[in-house]
Amino acid sequence: DAKTTQPPSMDCAEGRAANLPCNHSTISGNEYVYWYRQIHSQGPQYIIHGLKNNETNEMASLIITEDRKSSTLILPHATLRDTAVYYCIVEYNNNDMRFGAGTRLTVKP
Amino acid sequence: DTAVSQTPKYLVTQMGNDKSIKCEQNLGHDTMYWYKQDSKKFLKIMFSYNNKELIINETVPNRFSPKSPDKAHLNLHINSLELGDSAVYFCASSQVGPQFSSYNSPLHFGNGTRLTVT
Repeated sequence: DAKTTQPPSMDCAEGRAANLPCNHSTISGNEYVYWYRQIHSQGPQYIIHGLKNNETNEMASLIITEDRKSSTLILPHATLRDTAVYYCIVEYNNNDMRFGAGTRLTVKP
Repeated sequence: DTAVSQTPKYLVTQMGNDKSIKCEQNLGHDTMYWYKQDSKKFLKIMFSYNNKELIINETVPNRFSPKSPDKAHLNLHINSLELGDSAVYFCASSQVGPQFSSYNSPLHFGNGTRLTVT
């Protein structure tokens, strides 16, 4: 079901920027790119979303390529608490979120 | 203060039993969901309700019956439990409006109910 491709796992050193890529080559013009994360077995947590423009909030930045076929989630200063599975989802409306396998990010001391 | 709360957190039961999981949200959202996360960690949508009306009903056995008494509650009742029903069930809510509308909100998830069927 997922319309995105993400690497299964990534490592990042604590304090460094974590850059998580996502490919969504079949994205439609009216679909948003959403990012969620799941820490251990807690409920998924919303991080950020965008349509065309780059977005930034207190948690992360989202960089979307001009052709919108890929995006990158940036955690500017990763901490150990950012260790989680990160999900990239493309969706027209948040009424029908389909989660893929995600990227397991491990932040190491 | 919890935005989306589920009860119970853990549920252990035997095959063939009937059980319910309750979910409540205090965010004023008009759409609620049930997701299932299996042992392989895939998170799959099961149901979505908007203002007490069923919007999405994925290929889920009819032993699973969602009930929405009001838009702040979406309970999940499961009949004749089977071993394969063992999973973590997440409730979520959101505000869904017209596309590009600031009226929309992202999904807010509960902390899950771990169901173990023995």
